[in-house]
Amino acid sequence: SQKIEQNSEALNIQEGKTATLTCNYTNYSPAYLQWYRQDPGRGPVFLLLIRENEKEKRKERLKVTFDTTLKQSLFHITASQPADSATYLCALDMTNNAGNMLTFGGGTRLMVKP
Amino acid sequence: GAGVSQSPRYKVAKRGQDVALRCDPISGHVSLFWYQQALGQGPEFLTYFQNEAQLDKSGLPSDRFFAERPEGSVSTLKIQRTQQEDSAVYLCASSRLEIDSRPKNIQYFGAGTRLSVL
Repeated sequence: SQKIEQNSEALNIQEGKTATLTCNYTNYSPAYLQWYRQDPGRGPVFLLLIRENEKEKRKERLKVTFDTTLKQSLFHITASQPADSATYLCALDMTNNAGNMLTFGGGTRLMVKP
Repeated sequence: GAGVSQSPRYKVAKRGQDVALRCDPISGHVSLFWYQQALGQGPEFLTYFQNEAQLDKSGLPSDRFFAERPEGSVSTLKIQRTQQEDSAVYLCASSRLEIDSRPKNIQYFGAGTRLSVL
């Protein structure tokens, strides 16, 4: 069966450290992989997108890697801050067609302690 | 408006009651999606519109669920004869069709409607 797995346990880290979140998938060949942030009571907010032919993408303190051989994406937040505390969702888009739905993982809750 | 707007934010329904959830997408966004999010889970796809055309409804869990977007902007998700298992947050997202050669399908979400069926 097709699966997208994110660590369902909360990740607790100290302010200033690097947070690393994992997204593993099976039986997919996504064209894109996206990461979203979701705060309680809010909808997901887009953070970063990486294409299947890209290994790494950066945006400010965020970095995403995409290994299509391992079927894994890693999401890093460097110099983490308490304001980074949220749930982070990875999402796969399997085709190049505009408007295709995203398939989400279950999300990982990140808690950054001051 | 500047973002995707959903109403109501909260809805409490008695089992068997019909409900209607509204989504106002970002102006000019061609694509509109509905997702269902259970507590502690990621969003799960329900249905997709491109303008007024419903191109994919494979995620609708039963024939009690119906969605429409008659004029290609506002969309309504209707649930008939609600059941307790319908309790969830219903998210709406919109996106524009990219006109360059590589569509990106970045989706912009509303805050959701939390439906509780008693």
